[in-house]
Amino acid sequence: NAGVTQTPKFQVLKTGQSMTLQCAQDMNHNSMYWYRQDPGMGLRLIYYSASEGTTDKGEVPNGYNVSRLNKREFSLRLESAAPSQTSVYFCASSPGRYTEAFFGQGTRLTVV
Amino acid sequence: GENVEQHPSTLSVQEGDSAVIKCTYSDSASNYFPWYKQELGKRPQLIIDIRSNVGEKKDQRIAVTLNKTAKHFSLHITETQPEDSAVYFCAAKGENTGFQKLVFGTGTRLLVSP
Repeated sequence: NAGVTQTPKFQVLKTGQSMTLQCAQDMNHNSMYWYRQDPGMGLRLIYYSASEGTTDKGEVPNGYNVSRLNKREFSLRLESAAPSQTSVYFCASSPGRYTEAFFGQGTRLTVV
Repeated sequence: GENVEQHPSTLSVQEGDSAVIKCTYSDSASNYFPWYKQELGKRPQLIIDIRSNVGEKKDQRIAVTLNKTAKHFSLHITETQPEDSAVYFCAAKGENTGFQKLVFGTGTRLLVSP
């Protein structure tokens, strides 16, 4: 039981490049989330998926797209990376309403 | 949408003292309030949570209180220890999409000095 697994753990991109951050959970959770963490800004919600087949914008969705491929996987895509997207990205999943979210180990992304 | 504010941003205490971190939320329909601890370089992990039908919950040295009328909840850590040093986040689950949207506060850096 691996929990929430994110790939890659580290990535350096040049401005304008695209990439997809992968996230998979093996806990049969319904909800999945993508957050970014910047110093002094806390964890800001980018997108979330309440269930398979649905996605919704969070607090900072601009510049990102997501895909809930199936119940296990929720990917985050940067179509044209910008230096402002340099951050640590966390994926998380949750079973339901009154339950905690479990986090992946994070992806440290640097855009130069 | 839901907005969660957290104070203070940093908190320094002496070992053995108590620490209190406060959060307010904007969506009166929010009904689940977790607290997370994040150590340097690691992922956030749940330390305690509370539902909207409960006013207080304790787990050893940690307690959370909720005031629904004021839309305010707090984390209390008693007898602090150096290993309590970390960043703490409050969060709230709101009404959007079946109460699945989890929004975090900006975090409190707690430093416990020996």
